[in-house]
Amino acid sequence: AQSVAQPEDQVNVAEGNPLTVKCTYSVSGNPYLFWYVQYPNRGLQFLLKYITGDNLVKGSYGFEAEFNKSQTSFHLKKPSALVSDSALYFCAVRDENYGQNFVFGPGTRLSVLP
Amino acid sequence: GAGVSQSPSNKVTEKGKDVELRCDPISGHTALYWYRQSLGQGLEFLIYFQGNSAPDKSGLPSDRFSAERTGGSVSTLTIQRTQQEDSAVYLCASSPSDRGNIQYFGAGTRLSVL
Repeated sequence: AQSVAQPEDQVNVAEGNPLTVKCTYSVSGNPYLFWYVQYPNRGLQFLLKYITGDNLVKGSYGFEAEFNKSQTSFHLKKPSALVSDSALYFCAVRDENYGQNFVFGPGTRLSVLP
Repeated sequence: GAGVSQSPSNKVTEKGKDVELRCDPISGHTALYWYRQSLGQGLEFLIYFQGNSAPDKSGLPSDRFSAERTGGSVSTLTIQRTQQEDSAVYLCASSPSDRGNIQYFGAGTRLSVL
């Protein structure tokens, strides 16, 4: 069965500095990996995904993520954080061997300080 | 509308009452998911519908929970004999039947059981 870990409950970063939100996963087959963001009192919004191909994936709002198969990681990054990036970030995985069942991580709250 | 619509946005009920939560997916999306998000927590998968196939009910926490999807479109999540621990935000998502599997989320229904 698939699983996802987000080891940090909270990440604080100063505006303008680079940010990283970590995600590791476990699957038996090839992973389909996703990042979603949730702003207060709103549903989740898709940021980016990795299915196959280039390990560096670029997504919305200047975010990118790097798929690392050997480390089973899919960390979310942004070169220069904005205060408006403050939100709850979820990593999700679907194992190609387990149908359409997605597993979401517990979420990481990002706070960008002015 | 263009997005996933959920109603009601807020529901307050008394312990022991039944509730129905509605989800209108994006037109043409064949996949529909229900998740539960407890305060400050990650997403808990509840149930998944794909076209005319039998739903994946593996995430339903008890037999008090059920869901149906009529005509491959609108879905209703029913919770019978509600308990206080059922209090959470219930999120619905839909997805086109392509390999990308991006899920589009509604804003959710906040259920409070008194």
